[in-house]
Order: sequence, then C-alpha cells, then structure tokens
Amino acid sequence: AQSVTQPDIHITVSEGASLELRCNYSYGATPYLFWYVQSPGQGLQLLLKYFSGDTLVQGIKGFEAEFKRSQSSFNLRKPSVHWSDAAEYFCAVQRGGTASKLTFGTGTRLQVTL
Amino acid sequence: GAVVSQHPSRVICKSGTSVKIECRSLDFQATTMFWYRQFPKKSLMLMATSNEGSKATYEQGVEKDKFLINHASLTLSTLTVTSAHPEDSSFYICSATSQGTYEQYFGPGTRLTVT
Repeated sequence: AQSVTQPDIHITVSEGASLELRCNYSYGATPYLFWYVQSPGQGLQLLLKYFSGDTLVQGIKGFEAEFKRSQSSFNLRKPSVHWSDAAEYFCAVQRGGTASKLTFGTGTRLQVTL
Repeated sequence: GAVVSQHPSRVICKSGTSVKIECRSLDFQATTMFWYRQFPKKSLMLMATSNEGSKATYEQGVEKDKFLINHASLTLSTLTVTSAHPEDSSFYICSATSQGTYEQYFGPGTRLTVT
C-alpha cells in the first residue's frame, strides 16, 4: 500500500526566508505526486504535480518541488516566503492510472513571522 | 476551468437527524468523485469513491449505511449523513475527476456540526 510521510508537523520561517517542506513516500513503482495547500476552513488548492519527465517541477505561487527517486522524496521549496503563504501543506501520492485515489500525508503547518 | 462546488458550506444539525451535502462539478463531467473527511488539524481521510451510475466503493471502516453516497449524474454527487451524532462533526471535502485524467479537483469543503 502507498503511504506518505511529512516529518515536520509545524514549521516557522521569517518572511523573505527560504522554505523547504519535506515529503517521503512509499510505493512500489513511481507514483504520481502532488502538493496541495489549504487555508483554514478552506478546500485544497493544487500547487504542483509530478507525473513523469523533468524531476524539478514548477508550480503556482513561486513554489517548486524536486522528485528524487533514490530518496523516495518530493520536497517542496520556495526561495522567499511571503506572509500569505502561511497555511497547511499536504503532500499526496497517487498510484498510476486515472481516477485512482490519493493518499495524503499528515500535513505541515507553516507559520510565517514578519 | 475545473471548478468544484459544495453546498452547504456550513451546516448545523441536531443529533439523530440526517443531512445531505452536495458536490457539483461546474464546468466538466465528473466520472469519478471522492469524498474525504478531515478532523481538526488532521489530514484528509478518504471515505469513498463513487463512479457515475454505480454504487460507491467505501474505504475500510467507513459505514456505508451511515454515509450514503449517490452519484446519479456526471455533475453531482451527494453525501448523506444519516442519524448524525456529535462524533460525525467534521469537515467533509469532495473531489472530482474526469475520464482519462489523473488530477482531482477539490471542492471548498462543508463544515458539519452535530449538536
């Protein structure tokens, strides 16, 4: 069965500082990987996704993520964090094939200090 | 494009009553819809997968008689929480995907409070 681990429950960074959120997955083959962001009381917004090809994926809001097969990781990065980035971030894995269910990590809450 | 709506956004009901939550794909045909439940400060747990015109497939531990899912059209799925109890209070989120695609599009969620 596929699983996702987000080791950091809560991260605090200063505005303007760089950010890296960790995500490790467990799956027998190369999965489809996603990062979502959720503001309090809201649904999920897709930041970026990886299916195949270039292992460095660019997303919205200046986020990027790098797929590293050898480390089973898909870490999310942003060079300069803005106060509006404060939210909950979820990494998710989906096995190949359309209409397959997503398995989510436990989430990382990002706090941004001014 | 790919907008999913949910109605209501918030609902409060009394213990023992039933409540229906709607999930609609506004600009695409959703062949498959997923229902998730999210407890406070927790991740999303998949409850069930529904394909248009078929019975929903429930995840282990989810009571199908309590959480009734209907996906009667390509744009609408409903989740009915029957005989609701306070422990059913939660944030319910749906997502939808169209045939041949991998990405799920999420609704804004419904906050259910059972008193």
